[in-house]
Amino acid sequence: AQSVTQLGSHVSVSEGALVLLRCNYSSSVPPYLFWYVQYPNQGLQLLLKYTTGATLVKGINGFEAEFKKSETSFHLTKPSAHMSDAAEYFCAVSDDFGNEKLTFGTGTRLTIIP
Amino acid sequence: DADVTQTPRNRITKTGKRIMLECSQTKGHDRMYWYRQDPGLGLRLIYYSFDVKDINKGEISDGYSVSRQAQAKFSLSLESAIPNQTALYFCATSDHSGGAREQFFGPGTRLTVL
Repeated sequence: AQSVTQLGSHVSVSEGALVLLRCNYSSSVPPYLFWYVQYPNQGLQLLLKYTTGATLVKGINGFEAEFKKSETSFHLTKPSAHMSDAAEYFCAVSDDFGNEKLTFGTGTRLTIIP
Repeated sequence: DADVTQTPRNRITKTGKRIMLECSQTKGHDRMYWYRQDPGLGLRLIYYSFDVKDINKGEISDGYSVSRQAQAKFSLSLESAIPNQTALYFCATSDHSGGAREQFFGPGTRLTVL
C-alpha cells in the first residue's frame, strides 16, 4: 500500500527566506506525486505534479519540487517566501495500478513571519 | 463559475439526523470522490465513483452512503449523524482520459454534528 509522510506539521519561515516542505512516500511502483495548497476557507488547489520525465517539476506561484527516487522524496521548495504563501500544503501519491486514488499526507501548515 | 460546487457550505445538525451533502461538477469528468478532512489527519477517502454505475468504498466508509445521480452529481449521505462525523468534507473530480490523475476539488462543506 502506498503512503505519504510529511515531516513537520507546522513550518515557519521569514518573508524572503527559503521555503522547504518535506514529503516522503512509499509505493511499490513508480508513483505519480502531487502537491496541493489549501488557503483558509478554500478547497485544495494543485500546485504541481510529477508523472514521468524531468524530475524537477515547476509549479504555480514560484514553487518547485524534485522527485528523488533513491530517497523516495518529493520535497517542495520556493526560494523566497511571500506573505501570500501562508497556507496548508498537502503532498499526495497515486500508484500506477489504474485505480487513480490519491493518498494524502497529513499536511504542513506554513506560516510566514513578516 | 466554479467547476466543482458543493452544497451546503456550512451545516449544523443534531445527533441522529439524516443529512445529505451534494456535489455538482461542470468539468465533464467521469470520476468523483468524497473526502473528509480532520485537523492533523489530512484528507481521507470516504467513497469514490468511476462512473454512474461504479461506486466504491474508500478507507472510511462506515456511517456514510453515496449516490451518483448523473455523471455530474455525486451525493454523500449520513444516515444517522454522530458527533465524530464533524469535519470538513470535500468533493473532487478527475478525468480518466487525462492520465495525470490530478483531482479537482470543491470548496468544501463544514459539517458540525451536535
